[in-house]
Parts: sequence; C-alpha cells; structure tokens
Amino acid sequence: DGGITQSPKYLFRKEGQNVTLSCEQNLNHDAMYWYRQDPGQGLRLIYYSQIVNDFQKGDIAEGYSVSREKKESFPLTVTSAQKNPTAFYLCASSIRREKLFFGSGTQLSVL
Amino acid sequence: GENVEQHPSTLSVQEGDSAVIKCTYSDSASNYFPWYKQELGKGPQLIIDIRSNVGEKKDQRIAVTLNKTAKHFSLHITETQPEDSAVYFCAASLGAGANNLFFGTGTRLTVIP
Repeated sequence: DGGITQSPKYLFRKEGQNVTLSCEQNLNHDAMYWYRQDPGQGLRLIYYSQIVNDFQKGDIAEGYSVSREKKESFPLTVTSAQKNPTAFYLCASSIRREKLFFGSGTQLSVL
Repeated sequence: GENVEQHPSTLSVQEGDSAVIKCTYSDSASNYFPWYKQELGKGPQLIIDIRSNVGEKKDQRIAVTLNKTAKHFSLHITETQPEDSAVYFCAASLGAGANNLFFGTGTRLTVIP
C-alpha cells in the first residue's frame, strides 16, 4: 500500500536529550513537511523540503532539525533546545504542492 | 501572512441532521481552500477542496461554499452519521506550495446516534 509511515507512534524524551522521529513515504512525492499539533490549535509548519538535499524553515523551526538525503525519507530531530517539545507531530507529503497526505503521527512526551 | 479563523470549536448534532463549520481568512490573495478530517489518533485526511474561481463544490454528503467578497468559506455535511465524528480543519493557501498553507484551529464534531 502506498502511504506515509511515521515511527514510533509514541516517544518519550528525557531532559537534555535529542530524539529523532522517522517519516518514510512511498508515494514518489517530491515535497515533504513536518507539522506540530497542540491541543486546540491548528497545524503549525516546522520544516519542509521540496527536493532532495534541500529544506527550508517553517514558522516554528527553532529547536528542530531535519535532513533530506533520500526522496523517501524526511526525519525530524527534536533537540534539547526545544523547551516545550510535548506535542503530536505529523509528517506529510504533497502532490502538486497543495494536496497534503499525512502520516498517522508521533506523540512526543517529556519524562 | 494569512490568518484563518474557524468556528465553532465544538459542534454536536443528532444523527441525520446537518452540520456547518465556518472559516474566515484575512488575505484576499488566498486561492485554494481545503478541508481535512482527522479521526482520533490519526493524521488529517483531505475530504474536499475548492479554488477561488468556484463558488461551491459538492461530493456526496459534503459541500463547501466560498464567498470571496466576505473572505469566508464553509463546510456543510448533510445527513450526518456517527462515522462523521472527528476533528475538521479548514485551511487557506496563498498558492505556490503547501508551505503557504495556513490552518484553522479545528472543529470537533460529535454526531449523536
């Protein structure tokens, strides 16, 4: 089945620790995105990549980093600089740069 | 940038009734307006979208209307069913990529059997 796979589904971070969220797609989409979702808020863009080996900051990039070494993969690292990391993280890819296809998300919590 | 406001934040309807969710946007240059449905523990899924050159679009029980002059657009769900219960997000795009897509804060719809 074609789609976007995010792992793990749940992740716990200790203070001062970096954690990496995985996102893999087999839709052959060029563009990929990371969003953060907090309760009662809309989706906020963290980073996006329109092509391999290139990515841009979104609205809330501070404390996060990404890489795009392969078309299929767009991992997100939540660094220790992100002081409020608890949230639901969504990865997406797009066709025609508008219609987003989302993964099932990763819930990150702080221990 | 664009600012999208969505109302109501929660909505409860009886099964079989209609549900309406409204969104307003601030930037008259926005030209693409999708709606996403998010079920519990899952990612959002596109259910319908409309472009600025169209006033209304229907797909079975769901429809979207757009009023460019007033800068608002609405999602209409008729004959609601329990499986319609979810969080619905509207969004507005300034074009040129999903990086220019701005989301509303969501509406939690509950359909009471």
